[in-house]
Amino acid sequence: QSALTQPASVSGSHGQSITISCTGTSSDVGGYNYVSWYQQHPGKAPKLMIYEVRYRPSGVSDRFSGSKSGNTASLTISGLQAEDEADYYCSSYTSSNSLHVFGTGTKVTVI
Amino acid sequence: EVQLVESGGGLVKPGGSLRLSCAASGFTFENAWLSWVRQAPGKGPEWVGRTRGKTDGGTTQYAAPVRDRFTISRDDSKATVYLQMNSLQAEDTAVYYCTTDIATWFDYWGQGALVTVSS
Repeated sequence: QSALTQPASVSGSHGQSITISCTGTSSDVGGYNYVSWYQQHPGKAPKLMIYEVRYRPSGVSDRFSGSKSGNTASLTISGLQAEDEADYYCSSYTSSNSLHVFGTGTKVTVI
Repeated sequence: EVQLVESGGGLVKPGGSLRLSCAASGFTFENAWLSWVRQAPGKGPEWVGRTRGKTDGGTTQYAAPVRDRFTISRDDSKATVYLQMNSLQAEDTAVYYCTTDIATWFDYWGQGALVTVSS
């Protein structure tokens, strides 16, 4: 099972909006509304930011939003803040025998 | 407050074995699904496997790369889940995270346990 494809890096100025893409196939991203997104600061565990494509867990800022079109999911961060600088990973349920697949990761830099 | 605390990581030689533990608190453990997710240095996370809760039969599922070498078990009386890893290879080197598992996403994560496979 290949990892989902994400851009290696995305940058934006403080206060701007950025979007991170996550491309899979019809066997994962495109076939199910089971995409989730995780934020990971250096040396820390991943933190759930979005589940089932567009839902935010309690406590996650509404500056984070998710969407999906076809085989590509997206995470948008609006009003970019310094604390948003981190690695972001998407994940999807997959019909392959490994059941869950993660993305290659995107490093977000606030400039 | 949900807490997951992994232990048991360390350095092991190729072909060796290691058992990780994950002590949980802050939720009803016996019905909870729990997964192990690993992350190799500089790489994205990789799902390893899961144990379902008591009401779902306590069954396990594994990712293909570890299916014949790793075993997940649980002790509901101790609110602890285990990952027994056998026939370890260099490519198993990673930080291993214990997570609560909602079937299609992973909501709470432990701090991780580093496993290094090297001679």
